[in-house]
Amino acid sequence: AQSVTQLGSHVSVSEGALVLLRCNYSSSVPPYLFWYVQYPNQGLQLLLKYTSAATLVKGINGFEAEFKKSETSFHLTKPSAHMSDAAEYFCAVSESGNQFYFGTGTSLTVIP
Amino acid sequence: EAGVVQSPRYKIIEKKQPVAFWCNPISGHNTLYWYLQNLGQGPELLIRYENEEAVDDSQLPKDRFSAERLKGVDSTLKIQPAELGDSAVYLCASSFPGDPLGEQFFGPGTRLTVL
Repeated sequence: AQSVTQLGSHVSVSEGALVLLRCNYSSSVPPYLFWYVQYPNQGLQLLLKYTSAATLVKGINGFEAEFKKSETSFHLTKPSAHMSDAAEYFCAVSESGNQFYFGTGTSLTVIP
Repeated sequence: EAGVVQSPRYKIIEKKQPVAFWCNPISGHNTLYWYLQNLGQGPELLIRYENEEAVDDSQLPKDRFSAERLKGVDSTLKIQPAELGDSAVYLCASSFPGDPLGEQFFGPGTRLTVL
């Protein structure tokens, strides 16, 4: 069975500081992994996706994530937080590309 | 290219009333999903369509929820009768069948409040 655990429902960082949002997955086969961002009153927007081509994945808005099989993790990072990064972030796992399982989300607050 | 369109964006009803949500996916996206998103939670799949066929509706509460996608394009999700616990955001997403990853594109959602 597939599942995703996002540690930390709320994360606060200062503007310009490193952003680290944690995601651990459970999957019986090599998974597809995704990070989505959701701004208030909007739908989810894809940040990046892991497709097994490279373990370090770069996405939009300066975000990147590293797939670590040994740790079953796919943490999202950004070197320098911007005020516009304040949003809800969701990690998702899929084995077949049809059924997505989302984590419970992490709310990111950026402090000026 | 237009994104996934959903209407209405907000709906307030009293319990026991019926309600319907509409979704128009991205043109050419044959796969359509309806998700339920409770406050502070991630989206949970209700139903997935491949064209007009519901291929996964195992999580749809069939006693009060129904969905249709008659012509394989736009879709309607209905609740009858609504209960207080149905207050949530209902998200529609679509994906291109030729994409093996099944990357999903989401609409803005319909926020339902049941009083």
